[in-house]
Amino acid sequence: GAGVSQSPSNKVTEKGKDVELRCDPISGHTALYWYRQSLGQGLEFLIYFQGNSAPDKSGLPSDRFSAERTGGSVSTLTIQRTQQEDSAVYLCASSLVGRTSGNRDTQYFGPGTRLTVL
Amino acid sequence: DAKTTQPNSMESNEEEPVHLPCNHSTISGTDYIHWYRQLPSQGPEYVIHGLTSNVNNRMASLAIAEDRKSSTLILHRATLRDAAVYYCILRGTSGSRLTFGEGTQLTVNP
Repeated sequence: GAGVSQSPSNKVTEKGKDVELRCDPISGHTALYWYRQSLGQGLEFLIYFQGNSAPDKSGLPSDRFSAERTGGSVSTLTIQRTQQEDSAVYLCASSLVGRTSGNRDTQYFGPGTRLTVL
Repeated sequence: DAKTTQPNSMESNEEEPVHLPCNHSTISGTDYIHWYRQLPSQGPEYVIHGLTSNVNNRMASLAIAEDRKSSTLILHRATLRDAAVYYCILRGTSGSRLTFGEGTQLTVNP
């Protein structure tokens, strides 16, 4: 079946511009996660959606970052007024279960969006 | 989630077994041990997970020490495609996020 898809695969933008990154999770998966991977920081958690619950935004690095998940499916990560330090690969993952047995579920990752801020 | 310690890098020869160690001395009783790997230019992929007993699946085996303070991911016959960064991650009941450390870069020599 189809896995997690992300678009665009690459995005080059100028400092100060806003960008939107999209994630299509696996159909039926109730949990959705955003992570980012930058050269100096490794893989870090950004935000987590589980069903209709309030998202866990504790990993968002600043208020320039926001995300939404519409209809319990597609998610968009928005970065406003991009800075050069935002350059990274942004990864989306989804899982079937999430919070109720979060320490056992398997997360399936998309291929990522490589963001370059000039 | 509790912290894990892994070697920065390891090397193996093709078609030989590989044992990737992970120390997690502060593991709690409800923490599951998960392994993910990340191939070059791809997102991480799940490999295996366990709680107390050793686990086997089509990709690998997971050997968990009796005191649970360490575990070993075993690739029975390494292939060139197994060259990746392998992450050992502990997951507690308080949340679902994955907390990635530095992982082990596995190089497989032909």
